[in-house]
Amino acid sequence: NAGVTQTPKFQVLKTGQSMTLQCAQDMNHNSMYWYRQDPGMGLRLIYYSASEGTTDKGEVPNGYNVSRLNKREFSLRLESAAPSQTSVYFCASSNPIGGYTFGSGTRLTVV
Amino acid sequence: QQQVKQSPQSLIVQKGGISIINCAYENTAFDYFPWYQQFPGKGPALLIAIRPDVSEKKEGRFTISFNKSAKQFSLHIMDSQPGDSATYFCAASASGTYKYIFGTGTRLKVLA
Repeated sequence: NAGVTQTPKFQVLKTGQSMTLQCAQDMNHNSMYWYRQDPGMGLRLIYYSASEGTTDKGEVPNGYNVSRLNKREFSLRLESAAPSQTSVYFCASSNPIGGYTFGSGTRLTVV
Repeated sequence: QQQVKQSPQSLIVQKGGISIINCAYENTAFDYFPWYQQFPGKGPALLIAIRPDVSEKKEGRFTISFNKSAKQFSLHIMDSQPGDSATYFCAASASGTYKYIFGTGTRLKVLA
């Protein structure tokens, strides 16, 4: 039982490049989330998906897009990476009573 | 009104001591208050959570105290151990959404 799996674990991008962060969960959770974690700022919600086929913006959605491919998978895309998007990205899914299970994160550096 | 304010930013405690981390919120619609523990290089993991119908919840050495009128809640770690050294995040969400607003985190170090 892997829980929430994120790939890749590390990535370095040049400004303007694009990439997709992948996330998959095997807990049959309906809700999935993408957060970014920056020093001194905690975790901030980028996008979330309450159920398969729906997505909504969170607190900091600019510069990102998401796709809820199916119930298991929720991907985050950076179309044109900027240095301000250097961060650690966490995917999470939640059970019906609200407890989150987080993945181990993707450390992204944009140079 | 969406903020959750967490303090202190960092905390150093002797082994066996009590660690206390505080959070305050403004949105009265929040009704679920979890605490997460994060070790370096790992994702946060749910530690303990409380709903506002109780004033305290205890699980082992970890206790949440909740003050609804003051809109504050705190995490107490009794008999703190070096293995408790981690970053702790409080969070809050409103019923049915499960979109958490996280605090900024507290880095706890327990000295052996």
